[in-house]
Amino acid sequence: DTGVSQDPRHKITKRGQNVTFRCDPISEHNRLYWYRQTLGQGPEFLTYFQNEAQLEKSRLLSDRFSAERPKGSFSTLEIQRTEQGDSAMYLCASSPQQGYEQYFGPGTRLTVT
Amino acid sequence: RKEVEQDPGPFNVPEGATVAFNCTYSNSASQSFFWYRQDCRKEPKLLMSVYSSGNEDGRFTAQLNRASQYISLLIRDSKLSDSATYLCVVNAYTGGFKTIFGAGTRLFVKA
Repeated sequence: DTGVSQDPRHKITKRGQNVTFRCDPISEHNRLYWYRQTLGQGPEFLTYFQNEAQLEKSRLLSDRFSAERPKGSFSTLEIQRTEQGDSAMYLCASSPQQGYEQYFGPGTRLTVT
Repeated sequence: RKEVEQDPGPFNVPEGATVAFNCTYSNSASQSFFWYRQDCRKEPKLLMSVYSSGNEDGRFTAQLNRASQYISLLIRDSKLSDSATYLCVVNAYTGGFKTIFGAGTRLFVKA
């Protein structure tokens, strides 16, 4: 399977714990995006990488959130001191150098108890 | 006002019907436009890009009107398998790059 992959698919954590999610984009894609989606809403843009450079970061991404893409391939999204409001689906997408069509991974569903 | 607004749903249509979805965007600096389809508890999947000249892919036709800041999607001869949420997506450069999704319009196609 050469699509976008995300790990884990599901994560249940207690409030206050830290969590980290991983995204592996389509191999030849140099752009990578993170989104958050809650029930009944469209995905909300969190951040965007071109190769290893983080070019955009939404105001939604509080200081508790950090994303990295150290070698321009896979990316991680970390949430520190999780809160119940962080419960959502976290989606990763990638797009090729030419064009802006984004291809999504299956997402990581986070539940904070 | 939301940056991308879509028709409120749900749309309930019989098989074979033609259905149209509308989407408006507020940022005139928007540069690229897409329709995505999302099935329940699944990730969004790219349906088609949207161009000013209009584009068609089988039963699906998308249109962009830059002057009115309006995007449309037409589905002809609806199938049961078209039941899903349709998301309008806009990429904009406003001092930085941002992708904005509409909240989506839910479609139910019934036999």
